[in-house]
Amino acid sequence: GQNIDQPTEMTATEGAIVQINCTYQTSGFNGLFWYQQHAGEAPTFLSYNVLDGLEEKGRFSSFLSRSKGYSYLLLKELQMKDSASYLCAVRPATNDYKLSFGAGTTVTVRA
Amino acid sequence: KAGVTQTPRYLIKTRGQQVTLSCSPISGHRSVSWYQQTPGQGLQFLFEYFSETQRNKGNFPGRFSGRQFSNSRSEMNVSTLELGDSALYLCASSLSQGNSPLHFGNGTRLTVT
Repeated sequence: GQNIDQPTEMTATEGAIVQINCTYQTSGFNGLFWYQQHAGEAPTFLSYNVLDGLEEKGRFSSFLSRSKGYSYLLLKELQMKDSASYLCAVRPATNDYKLSFGAGTTVTVRA
Repeated sequence: KAGVTQTPRYLIKTRGQQVTLSCSPISGHRSVSWYQQTPGQGLQFLFEYFSETQRNKGNFPGRFSGRQFSNSRSEMNVSTLELGDSALYLCASSLSQGNSPLHFGNGTRLTVT
C-alpha cells in the first residue's frame, strides 16, 4: 500500500516562512508532486520532484530526498492568499498515472 | 486554453439512485483520472482512462464505473447511491508522459440524502 504523511495544520504570520514536510512509503517511486487547494476550489499544481535536491519556483521551493522518503514544500514571504490546503502526492510507478495523495496540510496565514 | 470542465457543479440525490458525472479534459490531453475527495479520507483515486481504455482502477466497489469517449471526454457513474458516497468528485487530465502533472477541474459536489 501507499502511506503518505503530512501535518494536518500549520499557522504562520504574513511575511514569514513555512515548511510543510511530507514523508512517504510507497510500493515504488516515480515522482512527487505538490498541489495547492483553496477552499471550494480545484487543486492546482505547484511543483514536481523526481531527483534529489531543491527545485525553486518563485516564493515556493520543493525538496526531495528519495533515500529518506522525504519531501518538503517551502513557502517564503507568506501572503494572506497562501492560506490553503497543500497536498503532497506520489506517483508510485513508471507507467502508472495515478497519484497517491496525503491528507493535506491546512496552512493559515495570520496578519 | 480552456481548463478541465466538470458538470454539473452540484448534485443532490437520494439513496438508491444513480448518477452520471461528466468531464471535458484540456484540449490535447488524452489521460483522464477521477478522484473522490472527502474530509476524512482526502483524495482517493477512482480510475484513469487513456484512449478510451481504463488503465488503472482504485479500490472502490463495482458501483463506481466510468468510460472515456473518442474525443477524450469522460463520464463516471455511481449506481445504487449510498450516504457515504457524498463527496467532491474531481476529474483531472494530463498529457500522460513523464513529469506531466494532473490538471484538475472544479469538481462535482454530490450530496446523497
